[in-house]
Amino acid sequence: QSVLTQPPSVSGAPGQRVTISCTGSSSNVGAAYDIHWYQQFPGTAPKLLMFGNGNRPSGVPDRFSGSRSATSASLAISGLQAEDEADYYCQSFDSGLRGYVFGTGTKVTVL
Amino acid sequence: QVHLMQSGAEVKKPGASVKVSCKASGYTFTNYYVHWVRQAPGRGLEWMGVINPSGGSTTYPRKFQGRVTMTSDTSASTVYLEVSTLRYEDTAVYHCARDPNGGTSAAFDYWGQGTLVTVSS
Repeated sequence: QSVLTQPPSVSGAPGQRVTISCTGSSSNVGAAYDIHWYQQFPGTAPKLLMFGNGNRPSGVPDRFSGSRSATSASLAISGLQAEDEADYYCQSFDSGLRGYVFGTGTKVTVL
Repeated sequence: QVHLMQSGAEVKKPGASVKVSCKASGYTFTNYYVHWVRQAPGRGLEWMGVINPSGGSTTYPRKFQGRVTMTSDTSASTVYLEVSTLRYEDTAVYHCARDPNGGTSAAFDYWGQGTLVTVSS
């Protein structure tokens, strides 16, 4: 019942650039609430990858970048590496639900 | 360094309750809200609610109201999640996560390792 929609999967060759979209509505992304992104490897806890729409926590490579428009946000991975193969989730606040929501998740595959 | 250590895996029967703990270390416990997020096998992340360890105020989404209870013990730097009337669909890994921002900008910067709760007859 995620209210933020992501593509189920994206793939790219090493060195390429891939983008993951996160589409919402006027009660979340469209209301200008912050968007955060998480990276999750199988069997492990998610890791904060991007916060406040485009800020990287310490230690996150600058190959990762974030952007947003009126009702969507995007995570871009430049110079794709094998170690980037993981699941990625966006997250925001929803005023209608009065709580926090996650995207449906995107599996990134490095070809 | 910041660390959230959760209790071990649980197996419960339908209708029973489960209580999961999350012990915080490496920061001032009462200065950060703690959220709970669960992930069913092969599924995405689902927010279950938040507790302010300083005072114990909580917020739960409508889906979990009446069935989920979050509490805190400041003397032990530990927060707890209790889920009652367990159903098969509650089988999931349950994570606690620290929130450095609060409010509508809440993000989750440190996570517990997760606790697998299996509901099985």
